[in-house]
This record gives sequence, C-alpha cells and structure tokens, in this order.
Amino acid sequence: AQTVTQSQPEMSVQEAETVTLSCTYDTSENNYYLFWYKQPPSRQMILVIRQEAYKQQNATENRFSVNFQKAAKSFSLKISDSQLGDTAMYFCAFVVSNTGNQFYFGTGTSLTVIP
Amino acid sequence: KAGVTQTPRYLIKTRGQQVTLSCSPISGHRSVSWYQQTPGQGLQFLFEYFSETQRNKGNFPGRFSGRQFSNSRSEMNVSTLELGDSALYLCASSSIDVLAGGRPGANVLTFGAGSRLTVL
Repeated sequence: AQTVTQSQPEMSVQEAETVTLSCTYDTSENNYYLFWYKQPPSRQMILVIRQEAYKQQNATENRFSVNFQKAAKSFSLKISDSQLGDTAMYFCAFVVSNTGNQFYFGTGTSLTVIP
Repeated sequence: KAGVTQTPRYLIKTRGQQVTLSCSPISGHRSVSWYQQTPGQGLQFLFEYFSETQRNKGNFPGRFSGRQFSNSRSEMNVSTLELGDSALYLCASSSIDVLAGGRPGANVLTFGAGSRLTVL
C-alpha cells in the first residue's frame, strides 16, 4: 500500500524567513514521482514543485526547493524568503510511474505567513 | 487556454438523494481524475478516466461512479447520499508527459476549483 504522511498540521513563519514542511511516504515501488501542491484559501490547487525519484538532484523552483532522501522516503519542502502569498495548505503527493494518475496525497500542512 | 471547469460549484442535497458533478478538462487532456477532499483526510482518490475508460479506481463504495465522454468531459455520480459524503470534490486533468527518449514523465495534474457538496 502507498501512504503519504505529513506530520505538521499547522505551521507559521515570519515574512522573509525560511520554513521547511515535512513529508514522508511509504511504497515498495522504485519508480515514482513526488509533488508538492499548494491550495490557497478558497482557491484552486496548483503545482509547486515535482521530483523524479530516479534523479539524485533535488528539484528547485525559484524560492521553493526540496530535500529528497529516497532511502529514508522523505521529501521535505523548503520555502525561502516567505511571502504573504505563500499562505496556503500544502499537500505532498506521489504517483507510481506508468500507472496513470492515481495520486496519493498527505493530509496537508496549513502554512501561515505572518507579516 | 481555459482551465479545468467544474460544475456546479456548490450544492446542497439531503440524505438518500443522488448527485451528478461535471468536469470539463483542459483542451487536449485525455485523463480526468476525481478526488474527494475532507478536513483531516486530505485528498482521497476516487477514480481516473482515460479515453472514456476507467483506468484506476480508489477505495470507495459502489455508490460512487463516473464516466467520460468522447470529448473528454467527465461526470461523477453519487447515489443514496450519506452525511459523510459532504466534501469538496476535485477534478483534475492531465496530458501525457513523455520525456526525451520516450521515458514517461510525471503527469502533472491541473485541478479545477471543485464542487462543494453538503449533505443534510
């Protein structure tokens, strides 16, 4: 069975500071992809960043970066220079390669950026 | 390019009724998947349709069903509604992402705004 665990239901960070959101997952598969999605209040879910499991190099997208530890099955998201617009629910997710789009999501971390 | 459109956005039903939700994917996207989002549970996968065929199915009772039409639009139906079916139902569409050399890439989901169902 595939599971995703986000152990931090709520977090807060001061504007311009750095925050790290944790995610662990469990799977017996070797080929998969990992994602972080963001859901702002009353707005649509959007992709933040993705990581291919076969790549050693951690993905980065502007202020967003991940720390992918495949052996530990850990996939944390680091947000640098936090902005008010980063306030949202963040979901960690993964999908096994070549199985279509059956994504497994964590329960989410609610992040509040404090001015 | 229009995004993923879900209708209706809000609806209220009573126990025992049925409901049909609609999703129009991004033009060219052939995969449509549905998720149920509830507080504390995150997103739970319902099913995925690709080229009018159900490709994957989550662990939901048979009261939850869906279909996809030839234009890739999808509907999901919930019959005999229960209080616990109250949730935000999200639809997501995806294109095929093939990397150089034919290696399959990550199919990025593009979500709609959701249909918020309240069962009284």
